[in-house]
Amino acid sequence: GNSVTQMEGPVTLSEEAFLTINCTYTATGYPSLFWYVQYPGEGLQLLLKATKADDKGSNKGFEATYRKETTSFHLEKGSVQVSDSAVYFCALHFTSGTYKYIFGTGTRLKVLA
Amino acid sequence: DSGVTQTPKHLITATGQRVTLRCSPRSGDLSVYWYQQSLDQGLQFLIQYYNGEERAKGNILERFSAQQFPDLHSELNLSSLELGDSALYFCASSVDPSGGEETQYFGPGTRLLVL
Repeated sequence: GNSVTQMEGPVTLSEEAFLTINCTYTATGYPSLFWYVQYPGEGLQLLLKATKADDKGSNKGFEATYRKETTSFHLEKGSVQVSDSAVYFCALHFTSGTYKYIFGTGTRLKVLA
Repeated sequence: DSGVTQTPKHLITATGQRVTLRCSPRSGDLSVYWYQQSLDQGLQFLIQYYNGEERAKGNILERFSAQQFPDLHSELNLSSLELGDSALYFCASSVDPSGGEETQYFGPGTRLLVL
């Protein structure tokens, strides 16, 4: 079946450190891939997305590239800030068929000043 | 502010009771999704409606039901509540997931505590 696997957290980094949060997926077909972020006490919001292989999504200094050959969509940021502390969810979605979104379990990021 | 509203923000009730959670999607969005977020199980997809019709079902218990009304707002009904139903319940909306615009917009959630 379709699934998303994220690295377990929490991830604790110092300010200005490089961030990678790994995400791999299993899917029959060609889903769109997403990263959502949940700040404390809030709902999820879209961070970035990519709809086909080799697409790169980017927003607020975060980037992720849709890699079909490794079925991955790793999230990266060159220099994290304290304000990036949040939970990050990787997700996939098909535009046909079940239409369901499938989310990973989330990775908590803590950035220390 | 995502434009998705959920009421109530907090709900405290007892085991065996029934509650109704309400969601109003963003203006123009036809699709509504319900999710349960608990500490031990992460974000679980429950059910999706599109323009009043059920479109996809996830890990929704038989004690739970939902519907989407003609004005597109949605309600999630939870009955015979158990302690384990305590969680954050999120509603999300999107324009039309089959039409290529797949971004979901999440509401702030309803925190349910079953005592």
